Amino acid sequence: GDSVTQMQGQVTLSEDDFLFINCTYSTTWYPTLFWYVQYPGEGPQLLLKVTTANNKGISRGFEATYDKGTTSFHLQKASVQESDSAVYYCVLGDRGNQGKLIFGQGTKLSIKP
Amino acid sequence: EAAVTQSPRNKVAVTGGKVTLSCNQTNNHNNMYWYRQDTGHGLRLIHYSYGAGSTEKGDIPDGYKASRPSQENFSLILELATPSQTSVYFCASGVGRGSSAETLYFGSGTRLTVL
Repeated sequence: GDSVTQMQGQVTLSEDDFLFINCTYSTTWYPTLFWYVQYPGEGPQLLLKVTTANNKGISRGFEATYDKGTTSFHLQKASVQESDSAVYYCVLGDRGNQGKLIFGQGTKLSIKP
Repeated sequence: EAAVTQSPRNKVAVTGGKVTLSCNQTNNHNNMYWYRQDTGHGLRLIHYSYGAGSTEKGDIPDGYKASRPSQENFSLILELATPSQTSVYFCASGVGRGSSAETLYFGSGTRLTVL
């Protein structure tokens, strides 16, 4: 069945560091891939989505692309700030699952001031 | 502003008791979802609905029922709560179905503790 795997459970960086979070996915259909962000005490919210392989999604200084060949999807930001501290979820949506979303395990990003 | 509102924010229940979690959305979205969030598992889908009067089983429906009496309201019901159902529960609304992978709008969550 469809699945999403995030291997990085926790990432700790300093302000102005480069962020790179990766996930892998598995599906036999044509996926849309999302990154959702969850701040403390809140529900997840959409950060960005990418509907086509090798296209770039951009939002709030974050960028994401997915590679159909390696079935990987990554999120990056050139210079993180303390306000970026949150949990980031890689999410798969595809036609084979009637558009319903499958969430990865989440990556907790902590930024040291 | 359109929103998804969950109640209560926190709930403590006893084993074997009945628990109802409520969700109201003003987005006028057809679709609504209940997820639970546990460390190491991300968010897992319990039940969902494509409109008033309909409910569907998600990936982990055992021990849960759902009710969608109107476009705006979607409830999650634990008839006989167990400690394994201690978790944070999120409600979400969205549009799109079938081939469209939709964007979801989440509430702030309900933290349920079953003793």
